[in-house]
Amino acid sequence: EDKVVQSPLSLVVHEGDTVTLNCSYEVTNFRSLLWYKQEKKAPTFLFMLTSSGIEKKSGRLSSILDKKELFSILNITATQTGDSAVYLCAVGAGEAAGNKLTFGGGTRVLVKP
Amino acid sequence: NAGVTQTPKFQVLKTGQSMTLQCAQDMNHEYMSWYRQDPGMGLRLIHYSVGAGITDQGEVPNGYNVSRSTTEDFPLRLLSAAPSQTSVYFCASRRQGYSSYEQYFGPGTRLTVT
Repeated sequence: EDKVVQSPLSLVVHEGDTVTLNCSYEVTNFRSLLWYKQEKKAPTFLFMLTSSGIEKKSGRLSSILDKKELFSILNITATQTGDSAVYLCAVGAGEAAGNKLTFGGGTRVLVKP
Repeated sequence: NAGVTQTPKFQVLKTGQSMTLQCAQDMNHEYMSWYRQDPGMGLRLIHYSVGAGITDQGEVPNGYNVSRSTTEDFPLRLLSAAPSQTSVYFCASRRQGYSSYEQYFGPGTRLTVT
């Protein structure tokens, strides 16, 4: 059974701090790893990673994948209160027709002013 | 484009009632799926479809039925609602293929079963 585990479950930081979120996985036929941000509504897409060691960046957010050790990290630098959300990691695996996403339980981030 | 739309936004059912959650997308995506989200458990896949006329089970399919008669619509039916089905339900769609895992989510339906 495919498994995705995120840590920590939650954290509280102050504006300006740096946050590192972890996602480890055990899946059959890995295809990609995705990060989503979820506020009080549907998840919104952040990154998709398919290759080890290549950092993806978008503003203050960055992410990297290690396919040998089976994990990814999401970094948020210079955090702002608008970064408060649940961050979800999902892994795409399987054959083309039935490829599916398995989600981790999420990390809840609260950024205090 | 409206993207992925879901109706209703909220629903309260009594145990044993049946209902259909509606989902539609206007992006001509082949792949559509239904997830449920419970506190602390991320999203779990209920059913998915890779095209009109083709559906398959996900991780937690029991108590739910789906059909896909058109590319645009993918309704989820609760056959006999149970309190364990109280959850937030998200419909999602994306293009088919390995490089197209970016999913677009609908706004969600919050379902309470009493």
